[in-house]
Amino acid sequence: QVVLTQSPSISASLGASVRLTCTLSSAHSSYSIAWHQQQPGKGPRCLMKLHGDGSHYKGDGIPDRFSGSSSGAERYLTISSLQSEDEADYYCQTWGSAIWVFGGGTKLTVL
Amino acid sequence: EVQLVESGGGLVQPGGSLRLSCAASGFTFSNYWMHWVRRAPGKGLVWVSRVNNDGSSTAYADSVKGRFTISRDNAKNTMNLQMHSLRADDTAVYYCARDLGGPDIWGRGTVVTVSS
Repeated sequence: QVVLTQSPSISASLGASVRLTCTLSSAHSSYSIAWHQQQPGKGPRCLMKLHGDGSHYKGDGIPDRFSGSSSGAERYLTISSLQSEDEADYYCQTWGSAIWVFGGGTKLTVL
Repeated sequence: EVQLVESGGGLVQPGGSLRLSCAASGFTFSNYWMHWVRRAPGKGLVWVSRVNNDGSSTAYADSVKGRFTISRDNAKNTMNLQMHSLRADDTAVYYCARDLGGPDIWGRGTVVTVSS
């Protein structure tokens, strides 16, 4: 079973950049993932699909400030020019055997 | 507008039952697999169940297997989750999501509280 590991929390200043990391279990290091954002009190929103070669495909309306990259088993979400509305929980997620697996989520605090 | 709207949540006693629904609009519902995902208080997103596009194949997380049943009605553009033998640890916000190699559209969720 694939496992996705995320740091529980991260903080960064308004206007700065931040990089969130999602690590795939070693046997599944080539898997594609998706990044999802969940703002307080709202449903999740798909930000992008991210492949092992670093190519990514963003959802409709997702600002250019959000980008993705990959290195080995690690998948990154970079948010630049942080805004207050970026304060949210971020989840990586993958799919296999027709089921979904989520990472534990990272809580981003914008200072 | 592509939209998913969940309903049917509420307060139920341990051991009770509840039926959640997900109404889809703005896309051809019968073309997509659909999933339920939940988030318990203070916890992260957890996959619950999925149904394929014509309802002939389903899958469940081990934690709900034998207690929950997923189904869909393509004529009514709806998906359901019948929940039996509910436990306190089923308390969560339940979201439906469309599958496009992973969830691409999410609903806003419906709250299920299992408590005496």
